[in-house]
Amino acid sequence: EAGVVQSPRYKIIEKKQPVAFWCNPISGHNTLYWYRQNLGQGPELLIRYENEEAVDDSQLPKDRFSAERLKGVDSTLKIQPAELGDSAVYLCASSPDAGELFFGEGSRLTVL
Amino acid sequence: KNEVEQSPQNLTAQEGEFITINCSYSVGISALHWLQQHPGGGIVSLFMLSSGKKKHGRLIATINIQEKHSSLHITASHPRDSAVYICAEGSLGSARQLTFGSGTQLTVLP
Repeated sequence: EAGVVQSPRYKIIEKKQPVAFWCNPISGHNTLYWYRQNLGQGPELLIRYENEEAVDDSQLPKDRFSAERLKGVDSTLKIQPAELGDSAVYLCASSPDAGELFFGEGSRLTVL
Repeated sequence: KNEVEQSPQNLTAQEGEFITINCSYSVGISALHWLQQHPGGGIVSLFMLSSGKKKHGRLIATINIQEKHSSLHITASHPRDSAVYICAEGSLGSARQLTFGSGTQLTVLP
């Protein structure tokens, strides 16, 4: 069974440029998470979806970040415009219920 | 707000040593997760537990609900165990809202 797939794995952009990350969760997993992880720290939740509904986006910086999960399957996370402080690893995870989490490999963003 | 504290932050051990990583949290939880993160970023779920103890191969996770404390033990450690180990808790009332510790960097030397 395929795991959580994320792309791109690595992205280097200049500040003020837009960037988008894509996540394909495990088939049948209704809950999808986007996390941001800074170096030396644990993941921090950006947004959580239950099917296509964003049920927790309180930590998402809505002035520059947006996310969508059309049809309750794939999801995209967008940053526009990117700032230097956005450099981090963006992790997608999915879960079939309130149980075990399955993470993707992450997308490492470097903003120059 | 729940706080999740891990100790130690960094741990270096010789191959074969018994290793313990600790995790403390401040509010009641529904589940405690232990995760492993290798260089490159990928995170793997090791355990999810809400009471007692779980064992998988050389890994053992325990939790004491009264003391709000969990430990991850690695027996007969091996260099391939070198990774960051992260604990995360799901608070009572919303197991889907996880709070993560900052991780313990484990290095096992041959």
